[in-house]
Amino acid sequence: GENVEQHPSTLSVQEGDSAVIKCTYSDSASNYFPWYKQELGKRPQLIIDIRSNVGEKKDQRIAVTLNKTAKHFSLHITETQPEDSAVYFCAAGNFGNEKLTFGTGTRLTIIP
Amino acid sequence: GAVVSQHPSRVICKSGTSVKIECRSLDFQATTMFWYRQFPKQSLMLMATSNEGSKATYEQGVEKDKFLINHASLTLSTLTVTSAHPEDSSFYICSARDPKTGAGNTIYFGEGSWLTVV
Repeated sequence: GENVEQHPSTLSVQEGDSAVIKCTYSDSASNYFPWYKQELGKRPQLIIDIRSNVGEKKDQRIAVTLNKTAKHFSLHITETQPEDSAVYFCAAGNFGNEKLTFGTGTRLTIIP
Repeated sequence: GAVVSQHPSRVICKSGTSVKIECRSLDFQATTMFWYRQFPKQSLMLMATSNEGSKATYEQGVEKDKFLINHASLTLSTLTVTSAHPEDSSFYICSARDPKTGAGNTIYFGEGSWLTVV
């Protein structure tokens, strides 16, 4: 089955700086890679996703890059703000199939 | 956007009793829903796939007799934790995807249910 690894597990960034979270996956058949933001005790919220037919996708301050050959993808948050503090999860799966394998999560803290 | 609702959000039960958690898709029909378990400060671990009208598919290591899943309609899946023990205390969360064409692949999560077994 799919195995997703995520690094780092914790990340502290000064407000205004950029944050980068990286994930690797094992199953070359995976073609859908969403990122979720989860605040304590709440549901994960999709913040951005990418399919394997593109290498990069951007939405305002958030971007995701995908390297299919190396089987890794990264989340980039620029101009970080205190409200970006949360736990972020990457996931891998197949587009059209709801089954996702999640990474272990990264606790991002933005320092004011 | 599509909404998945979960109930109850918090439940405390005595050891040995059973607890039912509901997951509803509010504005779409879901033939498949997923149940996850999340321990504090850990990732979401897939427990089982809930299939409307048929048996659930359980992930390796998940006891199907302990975690009963019923998907009786296209908008409702239930997870029953039977003979609960303190080690079953966890955050349980469900997910579903809006299958309508044009809805993309966004997978929606329920609010989650905190289960505490005392």
